[in-house]
Amino acid sequence: DAKTTQPPSMDCAEGRAANLPCNHSTISGNEYVYWYRQIHSQGPQYIIHGLKNNETNEMASLIITEDRKSSTLILPHATLRDTAVYYCIVFYDNTDKLIFGTGTRLQVFP
Amino acid sequence: NAGVTQTPKFQVLKTGQSMTLQCAQDMNHEYMSWYRQDPGMGLRLIHYSVGAGITDQGEVPNGYNVSRSTTEDFPLRLLSAAPSQTSVYFCASSPGTGPLTYEQYFGPGTRLTVT
Repeated sequence: DAKTTQPPSMDCAEGRAANLPCNHSTISGNEYVYWYRQIHSQGPQYIIHGLKNNETNEMASLIITEDRKSSTLILPHATLRDTAVYYCIVFYDNTDKLIFGTGTRLQVFP
Repeated sequence: NAGVTQTPKFQVLKTGQSMTLQCAQDMNHEYMSWYRQDPGMGLRLIHYSVGAGITDQGEVPNGYNVSRSTTEDFPLRLLSAAPSQTSVYFCASSPGTGPLTYEQYFGPGTRLTVT
C-alpha cells in the first residue's frame, strides 16, 4: 500500500514559489515527514523533515497541516536547478528502512 | 570529507558473471544502505546495515549479498548477474537509526548493464 500520495508532475515558473503537496492520511503521532529530491541521474538529496510544526531551512519550507494528514513542501523562489523529482516519505515503522515512493516530477520553466 | 563514494561509475557484465560494487563513507556513519533505480522508476531498497556486523534485507534483496565488516565500507555483491539487474545502484549512509536514518547522504551511483 502506498504510504504517501503525491501528484506525478507539476510545473512552476522560474522565480515563483513551488508548492508540492503530499497526502499521508494514515500518519500517526510519532511519525516524521521527510522530503528528498533527485536531480536527473544524481543520488537523492535530503531537503527537510518535520513532525508537527512547520520547518524552514536554507532550501525549503515544510508546512504540515494541524491534523498531520498532509503536508506541503515550498520552494520559495524556484530556479531551473530545482527541476527534479521530489519525494515525500513518512517514517511509518521503526524498521530503519527508508522507502521511496514515486514522487512528483517538478519542471521549472523560464 | 569525501562523503559517500562508489566504484566503479560504470560497469558492463555478461549474464552469469559476478562482481562487487564498492561503497565507502568517511563520515563515521553507523547506517548504510543500497538502492537500485531502474530506468524511469523510483528507488528500491536492496539491503541495509545499522552497524558493523549487522545487515538486513530491504524490498528487493534477491540476487544480492552484502556484508559490513567495517563502519566505513558496505560492498554489494552480485553472485550471478542477470539482465534484470541492469540498473543504477546508489549507496547511502546516515548518522544513526530511527528518525536519523532518514537524513541520508547518497553516493553518485554505479550504472550497471548486464548483457
